[in-house]
Amino acid sequence: GENVEQHPSTLSVQEGDSAVIKCTYSDSASNYFPWYKQELGKRPQLIIDIRSNVGEKKDQRIAVTLNKTAKHFSLHITETQPEDSAVYFCAASGGTGRRALTFGSGTRLQVQP
Amino acid sequence: GAGVSQSPSNKVTEKGKDVELRCDPISGHTALYWYRQSLGQGLEFLIYFQGNSAPDKSGLPSDRFSAERTGGSVSTLTIQRTQQEDSAVYLCASSLGRGIHETQYFGPGTRLLVL
Repeated sequence: GENVEQHPSTLSVQEGDSAVIKCTYSDSASNYFPWYKQELGKRPQLIIDIRSNVGEKKDQRIAVTLNKTAKHFSLHITETQPEDSAVYFCAASGGTGRRALTFGSGTRLQVQP
Repeated sequence: GAGVSQSPSNKVTEKGKDVELRCDPISGHTALYWYRQSLGQGLEFLIYFQGNSAPDKSGLPSDRFSAERTGGSVSTLTIQRTQQEDSAVYLCASSLGRGIHETQYFGPGTRLLVL
């Protein structure tokens, strides 16, 4: 089955700096890659996703890039703000028509004011 | 509109007891998923329902775990003879069920503690 690895496990940046979180996946048939943000004690919420026919997608300060050949994808947050502090999860699905998401282990992002 | 809801929000039980966790998906969503999140860990897939199709049970960790979805809406996850390692947050999600690349909307979770 699919295996998703995520790095780093923790990331601390100064407000205004950029943050990058990287994930690799094992199933070359996976074709959908969402990113979820989970604030302390709250439910995961989708912040951006990318499909395998696209190499990059941007939404304001957030961007995701996908390298299908290398089987890795990354989340980029620019001009970080304290409210960006949360745990971020990458996920993958779609291999052999599978809809269930396989998640990475999460990255705890701390933005220092 | 209303999001995914789950009950109870917290459940404390003794080892060996059975528990039932409930999920109400977003109205009109035909796909429903259960995931488990252990402390400080990522989310682990448990089971997936899509309409009237046979559920994908490939993520259930043991035969003590089962789930039902009645009338294509509400789902119940049952854990029999609970063990301490079952302690986790159990999250339910739903999606429209029309395609593979769909946003999954999560509920607030049920925090289960097995003593």
